[in-house]
Amino acid sequence: AQSVTQPDIHITVSEGASLELRCNYSYGATPYLFWYVQSPGQGLQLLLKYFSGDTLVQGIKGFEAEFKRSQSSFNLRKPSVHWSDAAEYFCAVGPFQGGKLIFGQGTELSVKP
Amino acid sequence: GAGVSQSPSNKVTEKGKDVELRCDPISGHTALYWYRQSLGQGLEFLIYFQGNSAPDKSGLPSDRFSAERTGGSVSTLTIQRTQQEDSAVYLCASSLGSRGSVNTEAFFGQGTRLTVV
Repeated sequence: AQSVTQPDIHITVSEGASLELRCNYSYGATPYLFWYVQSPGQGLQLLLKYFSGDTLVQGIKGFEAEFKRSQSSFNLRKPSVHWSDAAEYFCAVGPFQGGKLIFGQGTELSVKP
Repeated sequence: GAGVSQSPSNKVTEKGKDVELRCDPISGHTALYWYRQSLGQGLEFLIYFQGNSAPDKSGLPSDRFSAERTGGSVSTLTIQRTQQEDSAVYLCASSLGSRGSVNTEAFFGQGTRLTVV
């Protein structure tokens, strides 16, 4: 069955430090992978997506993610975190059955000054 | 409108009552999705509409849940005889994509926070 695992429920980093959020998926073929961010009280915003080709994907707000087929991973990275990056981050795989995405449980990011 | 609009933003209801949640998608978007976000549970797919095709209802958790989309635009998610476990944030999203398309981004509304007391 298809699934997405985000092993870290909550991560705290200092402002200016680097960030890596982990995402592992289970899927029988090459997946389409997504990272979304949700700020408090807001909907989800797409950060980046991977369909095929270059395994290092650049997104908005300085984020990037790397698809590693051998590890079934699609980790999100940012070299220097800003306080405004504090939010919840969701990894997703899909689409299935006409468009739905399967989401991980999310990782809440806190940023220390 | 400029984005996906959901109303109400918050809803408190008594157990056993029916509730209706509304979603106004981005104008011109043919695909519309409902997801449920429960505390610590991530996002759970509920239902998908694409144009005039029959909706994909595979994610609806019980027959108390139903949704319709009128005129290919506004959608209403109805929960009958609400239970405490229905408490969650209900998110709506829309996209330009045709069925199965991955090349169009889904835009999410801010959600409706439902609390069943």
